[in-house]
Amino acid sequence: GESVGLHLPTLSVQEGDNSIINCAYSNSASDYFIWYKQESGKGPQFIIDIRSNMDKRQGQRVTVLLNKTVKHLSLQIAATQPGDSAVYFCAEVAGANNLFFGTGTRLTVIP
Amino acid sequence: DAGITQSPRHKVTETGTPVTLRCHQTENHRYMYWYRQDPGHGLRLIHYSYGVKDTDKGEVSDGYSVSRSKTEDFLLTLESATSSQTSVYFCAIRPDRGPPIDGYTFGSGTRLTVV
Repeated sequence: GESVGLHLPTLSVQEGDNSIINCAYSNSASDYFIWYKQESGKGPQFIIDIRSNMDKRQGQRVTVLLNKTVKHLSLQIAATQPGDSAVYFCAEVAGANNLFFGTGTRLTVIP
Repeated sequence: DAGITQSPRHKVTETGTPVTLRCHQTENHRYMYWYRQDPGHGLRLIHYSYGVKDTDKGEVSDGYSVSRSKTEDFLLTLESATSSQTSVYFCAIRPDRGPPIDGYTFGSGTRLTVV
């Protein structure tokens, strides 16, 4: 089946610095990739998505990069804030009714 | 989360007992999903529904059944709970239009402990 994984399980950054969270995927036929943020005791919250025919997409303080050649996805968070501390998941959209999630990266922002 | 509610939020049950988790939505979305979340596995799909009385299996459906008798409610049942079903369960909904362009909306989860 599909495999979506993350290079690093934890990431600590200083407040104000930029954060980069990475994700590898294996299914080159996926149509979309989505990044989610999950805070303690809550469900995953949609951050940003990117279609497979795009290389880059920007949102508010976040940028997602897709490199299909090496099947790599990254989430960049600019000027990281304490409120960004959470677990971040990438998810691969495979068909209309399933998301395949990676295991997550815990981002800790150091004040 | 607005529009989607899970109940109960926490439950402790004994091995071998039946357990039903409820997901309720007010968005009138056609698609509803049940996921479980375990350390080292991310979220994995258990079952999903694409309409009233229309359901299908996901990646980890063994030991679970679902029912959807009305649009707003999607029930997940563990017929005979086992310790391996200790997990956090999330319900999700998504808009009806095409691919999930805007992503799924997840509930706040139910933490189930089977002792």
